[in-house]
Amino acid sequence: GAVVSQHPSRVICKSGTSVKIECRSLDFQATTMFWYRQFPKKSLMLMATSNEGSKATYEQGVEKDKFLINHASLTLSTLTVTSAHPEDSSFYICSARGAGETQYFGPGTRLLVL
Amino acid sequence: AQSVAQPEDQVNVAEGNPLTVKCTYSVSGNPYLFWYVQYPNRGLQFLLKYITGDNLVKGSYGFEAEFNKSQTSFHLKKPSALVSDSALYFCAVRDIGNTGFQKLVFGTGTRLLVSP
Repeated sequence: GAVVSQHPSRVICKSGTSVKIECRSLDFQATTMFWYRQFPKKSLMLMATSNEGSKATYEQGVEKDKFLINHASLTLSTLTVTSAHPEDSSFYICSARGAGETQYFGPGTRLLVL
Repeated sequence: AQSVAQPEDQVNVAEGNPLTVKCTYSVSGNPYLFWYVQYPNRGLQFLLKYITGDNLVKGSYGFEAEFNKSQTSFHLKKPSALVSDSALYFCAVRDIGNTGFQKLVFGTGTRLLVSP
């Protein structure tokens, strides 16, 4: 149980385009989903927290207009990187939490912006 | 704010030997502590958590962690390491953000290298 999927696992895009990443909780309802960014050999940086049906809460320093988060259902959240630039290249990881305290993580999406 | 510290960037251990990955915490109130493992180019896998109860918590893949309130530590342990345990390990603590939402605060990670 407690499986979280992410799609795509890897994406390469041109600078200026937008990229959408999906995060799904496959066998539980996720009241809260989280989006993280991880730089090489670094810890995870929380970008935003989203609760189903409400606007995401962004961490300080994260541009909400650049990283659009939608949590339309209890099993799906999406992160859209708008007008991507090379500095947005990173490993993006989502997690989901149901009724308990534990967050379950997706396998991550490697974004490369050329 | 709650925080955790992982003092070792890397831990080296021979296969079959016991391993310890260290984590100390700084919290106000009762801590909710977690250990996760990350394999290359993958997300994090949950290993175990301490919320309340017994100080020795048993988790996945033979790992366990000991909650020590007097030393504010939550070290991850395994009696006999496997080469396949080689990975990046993160300690985390639950925090409440400014908006009232719960979130995890992660340590910097410790790379475990188990040699054959």
